[in-house]
Amino acid sequence: QSVLTQPPSVSGAPGQRVTISCTGSSSNIGVPFDVHWYQHLPGRAPKLLIYGNNNRPSGVPDRFSGSKSDTLASLAITGLQAEDEADYYCQSYDSSLSGYVFGTGTKVTVL
Amino acid sequence: EVQLLESGGGLVQPGGSLRLSCAASGFTFSGYAMNWVRQAPGKGLEWVSIISGRGNKMYYADSVRGRFTVSRDNAKNTLYLQMNSLRAEDTAVYYCAKHPIVLVAPAHPVADSWGQGTLVTVSS
Repeated sequence: QSVLTQPPSVSGAPGQRVTISCTGSSSNIGVPFDVHWYQHLPGRAPKLLIYGNNNRPSGVPDRFSGSKSDTLASLAITGLQAEDEADYYCQSYDSSLSGYVFGTGTKVTVL
Repeated sequence: EVQLLESGGGLVQPGGSLRLSCAASGFTFSGYAMNWVRQAPGKGLEWVSIISGRGNKMYYADSVRGRFTVSRDNAKNTLYLQMNSLRAEDTAVYYCAKHPIVLVAPAHPVADSWGQGTLVTVSS
């Protein structure tokens, strides 16, 4: 059972904006542990999308953005495209577990 | 370009053992900590283990501590995961993943590059 909770699915039409929430606690997101986001297409290697709450690695489009406040983090995708259809995971570190933790995952569907 | 190629997966009976390997190329292997992350069928990602660049510090998820052992051979640019006392719930695709720095750092993403994964099935 993951300690970071995400909605199972979100959907939107091409061009729309969608957001994915990641809810944690004081032992992970709520302390100075950053949140990172990954995109995972079935059968492919996961890809780092956002690191350090709101930073994009080279090559990631600026349509993807992240934020964090207290025990809640969010990933926003603007100008939704068909190629964005994938599973998305938040990730942080948990001081109680002394280990890295992933969110439950959210499937993004482009209508 | 970072390349990570896992091997060693397969079908094993409950209680059995298996050793996974991950061949790394395209970067200075000893300069980075390395992870194993798994994904059970129909489930999300689960961090399994991490080892520092020098191989002197290892950390494990509670679900595998005492049964799995992570190691590395920097001369061969290869990461390993020895899995003992396997259970049905260990069935998953196991990914090798590169940490952003040489030390294990909670503040950083667990991984910035991933392999394609190797499937481990524990069943009688």
